[in-house]
Amino acid sequence: DAGVIQSPRHEVTEMGQEVTLRCKPISGHDYLFWYRQTMMRGLELLIYFNNNVPIDDSGMPEDRFSAKMPNASFSTLKIQPSEPRDSAVYFCASSSRRATEAFFGQGTRLTVV
Amino acid sequence: DQQVKQNSPSLSVQEGRISILNCDYTNSMFDYFLWYKKYPAEGPTFLISISSIKDKNEDGRFTVFLNKSAKHLSLHIVPSQPGDSAVYFCAASAFGNKLVFGAGTILRVKS
Repeated sequence: DAGVIQSPRHEVTEMGQEVTLRCKPISGHDYLFWYRQTMMRGLELLIYFNNNVPIDDSGMPEDRFSAKMPNASFSTLKIQPSEPRDSAVYFCASSSRRATEAFFGQGTRLTVV
Repeated sequence: DQQVKQNSPSLSVQEGRISILNCDYTNSMFDYFLWYKKYPAEGPTFLISISSIKDKNEDGRFTVFLNKSAKHLSLHIVPSQPGDSAVYFCAASAFGNKLVFGAGTILRVKS
């Protein structure tokens, strides 16, 4: 298995633009997580899904953020409109046994100018 | 409110010596703890874990210790190698739910 695949690896966008980050989890994993890494706050959980259903989105910072999982092999995290403070590395992770030992993708480095 | 805290932003250790990374938590419901390692431009990778029913778990050069009364866990790396230089994240979960991560500690192993 190729592991968790995220795209794009890097994204530079202007403030106010819509940004969509994509994730393909490991096949057979029932849990999918979106994390954001910043220098100040480390790794923050934004939202997670179980069997394609959002379970906990309490970490989503604002209504500008939304996430979907239309099927077991694909998820998106959308920011609309984007702001400079959204600049961070966004990680997607998947797991077969709840939250334990989640496997992470390589991340998307987002820069909003 | 940070439930998992790694109070040392960085640690520098000589090759061959012991590296000790520390982590404190506040939520007494946490029952599973993990350490992840992260290299630049890569995602975190799972390193070692421990259940709350244990106080020690060992895997090769890596040992995790859990002190439930102090709500403290530590990761020991012996002997430290230059390839161990990375960011180490402590994480915890309660009842198999979402992982809560600390802010990370940068470990530098000098040769």
